[in-house]
Amino acid sequence: GENVEQHPSTLSVQEGDSAVIKCTYSDSASNYFPWYKQELGKGPQLIIDIRSNVGEKKDQRIAVTLNKTAKHFSLHITETQPEDSAVYFCAAKRAGKTGANNLFFGTGTRLTVIP
Amino acid sequence: KAGVTQTPRYLIKTRGQQVTLSCSPISGHRSVSWYQQTPGQGLQFLFEYFSETQRNKGNFPGRFSGRQFSNSRSEMNVSTLELGDSALYLCASSFTVSDYGYTFGSGTRLTVV
Repeated sequence: GENVEQHPSTLSVQEGDSAVIKCTYSDSASNYFPWYKQELGKGPQLIIDIRSNVGEKKDQRIAVTLNKTAKHFSLHITETQPEDSAVYFCAAKRAGKTGANNLFFGTGTRLTVIP
Repeated sequence: KAGVTQTPRYLIKTRGQQVTLSCSPISGHRSVSWYQQTPGQGLQFLFEYFSETQRNKGNFPGRFSGRQFSNSRSEMNVSTLELGDSALYLCASSFTVSDYGYTFGSGTRLTVV
């Protein structure tokens, strides 16, 4: 099955700096890569996603890049703010196909933005 | 538009008991998936239901089961509870089983004592 690795496990940045979280995946059939933000006491919230036919996607301060050849994808948060502090999860999935197409999650990155 | 609703939010059960958790998907969503989240194992897939049929199952023992009703609401059941079943159980919904995106609920926090 799919194996998603995520680094680092913890990340502290000064407010206004950038944060980068990296993930690798093993299944070349995975074609959908979402990123989730989880705050204390809440479920994961989708913040950005990318499909395998795209190399980069940006939404305001958040961007995701995908390298299919190397099987890795990254989350970039610029101009970080204290409210960005949370646990971030990457995931991979074989979307658009029947069968084993559930989400496989990375182990999470606890991001702390220091004011 | 209402999100994914999970009830109850918190549960405390004793070893050996059984428990039923409920999930109401977003209106119009027909696929419901369940995930277990623990500090040690992270987020792990339990099962997925669509049109009242289990379409996909993760690597969990038979004590974990689920079902889906005709209105797409889903329940999961854990029998003969063990201490290791203490976790946050998350439900996610999507339009179909092969959809790209999920929307998660806030979860049910189960503590087994």
